[in-house]
Amino acid sequence: GAGVSQSPSNKVTEKGKDVELRCDPISGHTALYWYRQSLGQGLEFLIYFQGNSAPDKSGLPSDRFSAERTGGSVSTLTIQRTQQEDSAVYLCASSAGGAAEAFFGQGTRLTVV
Amino acid sequence: GESVGLHLPTLSVQEGDNSIINCAYSNSASDYFIWYKQESGKGPQFIIDIRSNMDKRQGQRVTVLLNKTVKHLSLQIAATQPGDSAVYFCAENTAGYKYIFGTGTRLKVLA
Repeated sequence: GAGVSQSPSNKVTEKGKDVELRCDPISGHTALYWYRQSLGQGLEFLIYFQGNSAPDKSGLPSDRFSAERTGGSVSTLTIQRTQQEDSAVYLCASSAGGAAEAFFGQGTRLTVV
Repeated sequence: GESVGLHLPTLSVQEGDNSIINCAYSNSASDYFIWYKQESGKGPQFIIDIRSNMDKRQGQRVTVLLNKTVKHLSLQIAATQPGDSAVYFCAENTAGYKYIFGTGTRLKVLA
């Protein structure tokens, strides 16, 4: 597509439920990133995929968080047993790999009630 | 995470004045840097980039300065306009690996 697409744009879920957030990167981009941004704060790195290499999961805050990237394209971030502190905007970005500009999606705003 | 969860510092600038936003990066081996602008409710957008073999790069109304000695990056915006109001992030990249973002600075343009 023309840009990075994320869905849903907004998600309200009950505490304890599982959620899946989707990211469609720019076609052909080998690198994909997930970041979390709490209200009024900076970007917190979550996970990084690069080609067929093992993902860098060093930013995932707990084992309730996981992500996969199927076929080197679409990525899904899953949060199990959501907690209120998981409420944030989840941003996905992709790049052509290496030191190339990373393009961001509009984000998914997650609210856990 | 690698980006601290602090509330964003704010820079207030009079419309028409020049703005300077600073960033201290973490890795002396980082070789590529980007400044991003994030408007409310949107994802970050690319403004300008610079590679480590340069110390200055200019765009339209924006200039990025890189001081590798002290690991410092700055973004200068000339003749700041109301549309420049946003949060600005610097990002560093080392040898083509993942991006690490700075804390961010909120720029407020005063009419």
